[in-house]
Amino acid sequence: QKEVEQNSGPLSVPEGAIASLNCTYSDRGSQSFFWYRQYSGKSPELIMFIYSNGDKEDGRFTAQLNKASQYVSLLIRDSQPSDSATYLCAATGGYQKVTFGTGTKLQVIP
Amino acid sequence: DTGVSQDPRHKITKRGQNVTFRCDPISEHNRLYWYRQTLGQGPEFLTYFQNEAQLEKSRLLSDRFSAERPKGSFSTLEIQRTEQGDSAMYLCASSFNKGLADTQYFGPGTRLTVL
Repeated sequence: QKEVEQNSGPLSVPEGAIASLNCTYSDRGSQSFFWYRQYSGKSPELIMFIYSNGDKEDGRFTAQLNKASQYVSLLIRDSQPSDSATYLCAATGGYQKVTFGTGTKLQVIP
Repeated sequence: DTGVSQDPRHKITKRGQNVTFRCDPISEHNRLYWYRQTLGQGPEFLTYFQNEAQLEKSRLLSDRFSAERPKGSFSTLEIQRTEQGDSAMYLCASSFNKGLADTQYFGPGTRLTVL
């Protein structure tokens, strides 16, 4: 069983819509969670992190964490074609080793 | 210093050769990580350093792989006797330990192709 699971997609949304990306994790000891965006052939770029239950907003992005359900999500409001990329969810425990999911490919259709 | 840098960006080698990659982290970052990523997969943890100390090494890392960070600044990753299965993107990331939010910033990666 993978420690961090994501639907590989692709997830297709029309321009201007809300994209919802989901992630589950198996290690209850995980403390911090990260969302990275990765364009094809490029390295991951940090979008945001969250470590408290609830929502965290940063511009068009909102991360949501539910530790009881071991569930993390990322909402992208007003999706743009430039948001088309693979989104990686990552989790880390107290010793800072980060485990990544396989990523969800997002396609924003103009 | 604008970010993590890696050198070379691309490396093509023949099976059995040794290769060495370099990573220069963001200057004030005390932690440095190496990952490997293959197509369609997320980055896979290889090893990490806090300052010059190598604190963890993945069980997946064979003895052909070795990493160093001699002065707590740049790091090198060496792969000896390369195999075709070593073909991947090798990513370096760095962070400054700030408790729970140990946010890692990635370099551009080194793409290795083993023929």
